[in-house]
Amino acid sequence: NAGVMQNPRHLVRRRGQEARLRCSPMKGHSHVYWYRQLPEEGLKFMVYLQKENIIDESGMPKERFSAEFPKEGPSILRIQQVVRGDSAAYFCASSPDRLLAVTDTQYFGPGTRLTVL
Amino acid sequence: ILNVEQSPQSLHVQEGDSTNFTCSFPSSNFYALHWYRWETAKSPEALFVMTLNGDEKKKGRISATLNTKEGYSYLYIKGSQPEDSATYLCAYQRIYNQGGKLIFGQGTELSVKP
Repeated sequence: NAGVMQNPRHLVRRRGQEARLRCSPMKGHSHVYWYRQLPEEGLKFMVYLQKENIIDESGMPKERFSAEFPKEGPSILRIQQVVRGDSAAYFCASSPDRLLAVTDTQYFGPGTRLTVL
Repeated sequence: ILNVEQSPQSLHVQEGDSTNFTCSFPSSNFYALHWYRWETAKSPEALFVMTLNGDEKKKGRISATLNTKEGYSYLYIKGSQPEDSATYLCAYQRIYNQGGKLIFGQGTELSVKP
């Protein structure tokens, strides 16, 4: 069973451009989470999604950031008009349906390192 | 503000030493406490999820305990090896975020010298 996949692993954007980060959860997992690690800081929750639904977006910046997890395909974290302060490592995690799982372990991907020039 | 605190921030030990770290979290509205091991340039690796006061979990030389009443968890590594060098993260989950949001501590960075 392949782990959580994220791509690209590294992304460079100029200020004002858009960044699209992709996350493919583990097979059979219907829950996706996005976390951000700013330089010199710990992992911070951004958003929690299930297929086609946003469950908790309490950690998402109010502007320029959006996330989706369509019925088919990967979850996408989209950052419009990037600024230098968006430079960070963005991690995706997934977990199985709670009805099928003993615990709520979240399995993390390798992250996407976004650099804004 | 929900704070998860980990101590020490970093730890340097010799191979063979046993060591332990602390994770402090809010004792109210507790649902679960997660421990992760994170090596540089790799994905955080899940070690334990603990939910019950008094829980003790073990995986090889690594074990963890949980006290939900006072809001702390200890992670122990017996006979540290160089391959144990990593950052160890704990994460708190509130009862209102079942199956969701993890609130992470800053981590304890462990370095084991041969």
